[in-house]
Amino acid sequence: GENVEQHPSTLSVQEGDSAVIKCTYSDSASNYFPWYKQELGKRPQLIIDIRSNVGEKKDQRIAVTLNKTAKHFSLHITETQPEDSAVYFCAARNSGYSTLTFGKGTMLLVSP
Amino acid sequence: GAGVSQSPSNKVTEKGKDVELRCDPISGHTALYWYRQSLGQGLEFLIYFQGNSAPDKSGLPSDRFSAERTGGSVSTLTIQRTQQEDSAVYLCASSLALGLELPPEQYFGPGTRLTVT
Repeated sequence: GENVEQHPSTLSVQEGDSAVIKCTYSDSASNYFPWYKQELGKRPQLIIDIRSNVGEKKDQRIAVTLNKTAKHFSLHITETQPEDSAVYFCAARNSGYSTLTFGKGTMLLVSP
Repeated sequence: GAGVSQSPSNKVTEKGKDVELRCDPISGHTALYWYRQSLGQGLEFLIYFQGNSAPDKSGLPSDRFSAERTGGSVSTLTIQRTQQEDSAVYLCASSLALGLELPPEQYFGPGTRLTVT
C-alpha cells in the first residue's frame, strides 16, 4: 500500500520568512495530493491540492509543487504570519483506491 | 450549511468497557471515512463507506473495532473492550461520491477525544 513520509516534524520560523514542508510517497500510481491544515483543537481543513497532471499550483501565499519522477511534493508558504501556526498534513491518493494516506504532520510555529 | 458533526466531543471510559462514537456527515455526501489521530501521529485511516457498497475495513486495527452506517447517513464506530492504546482523537470525514472527475474534498468533523483509563 501507499506510504507517505513527511518532513520536518516541527518547523519554527520568524514572521515574514518562508516555510517549506516536504513529503514523499511510495505508490507511483498515486495521482492526487491534498494538504490539510489543523489548528490547535480544531478539525483538519483542506488548504490546497494538486493532481498528477500538474507540476505546481499557487493560491496567494501558499503553493504546492509535485515531482512525479522523484515521487515527492512540497508545500511552500511565503510571508508567514502567526496565524499560519498549525499542524500541516500532506496526503496521497491512488486513483484505484478510495482513501487518502496521510503523512504524520508538521507542526509549524511562526513567531512574531 | 451544517458541517460534519460528531458526538460525544469527549469520552472517558474505563479499560474493558465498550464505547460508541457517532458521526453525522454532510447531507448529500455519500462517502464517509473514519480516522484515528494519536498524539504526535498523523491521521490513521480506519474504515470507509461509499453508498451501498461494502465498506473498506482495511484500516481497522483489530476485531474490537467495528463500524456501521445506517440508511447511508449516520455512522457509528464501536470499540469493544477498550484498551489504553485506543486513547486518541477519532475523526470522521465525509465527501461527495467518488468516481467523479475531480477527487472530492473530505470535510472533517471536530472529532471525539477518547481517553481510556
